[in-house]
Amino acid sequence: LAKTTQPISMDSYEGQEVNITCSHNNIATNDYITWYQQFPSQGPRFIIQGYKTKVTNEVASLFIPADRKSSTLSLPRVSLSDTAVYYCLVGATGNQFYFGTGTSLTVIP
Amino acid sequence: GAVVSQHPSRVICKSGTSVKIECRSLDFQATTMFWYRQFPKKSLMLMATSNEGSKATYEQGVEKDKFLINHASLTLSTLTVTSAHPEDSSFYICSASRQNLNYGYTFGSGTRLTVV
Repeated sequence: LAKTTQPISMDSYEGQEVNITCSHNNIATNDYITWYQQFPSQGPRFIIQGYKTKVTNEVASLFIPADRKSSTLSLPRVSLSDTAVYYCLVGATGNQFYFGTGTSLTVIP
Repeated sequence: GAVVSQHPSRVICKSGTSVKIECRSLDFQATTMFWYRQFPKKSLMLMATSNEGSKATYEQGVEKDKFLINHASLTLSTLTVTSAHPEDSSFYICSASRQNLNYGYTFGSGTRLTVV
């Protein structure tokens, strides 16, 4: 059961790049790293997933160092609509996912 | 993509009554689904793992007789809050995964339960 640690909150101005780092020191060999976004009164929404190195999709990039004990979610040029809570989860197929505190991101005009 | 539908989105019930929440995987089969609850400004707390065709596995501290879970098919899991009390008021969220974890886990839109 990999436990994750993230900053509780972050502020950023519109148009800036935001990097949110997550620590998962006891990640297992079979675990993937997945990031979710949650708006108030909605279920979490999948952002990106990776196992190692770098993954990029249309909304974000995920950087994972060789030891996999941490990961960084990068959101390019954030807008006000990116204000949300971001969760980093680690786990393997079929296993339970336990949520940490998440990072509350506030984008400022 | 993977879609999980949760119903109802909001429900208000009287103390002592039971409420059923449905979670359906619309375009994939899910042998395993998960139920979470979330209090305001808090993180999601895993309540139980719902396994198709077998008994659910509950997390420590979650009353299995209070939160009945039934996973009768590969696309439907239900959570019944029995004899609801005001302290059961919360946001309940289900999730499911396709066999290929590259899609991650898909979450329902959540159910806001208010017990009065």
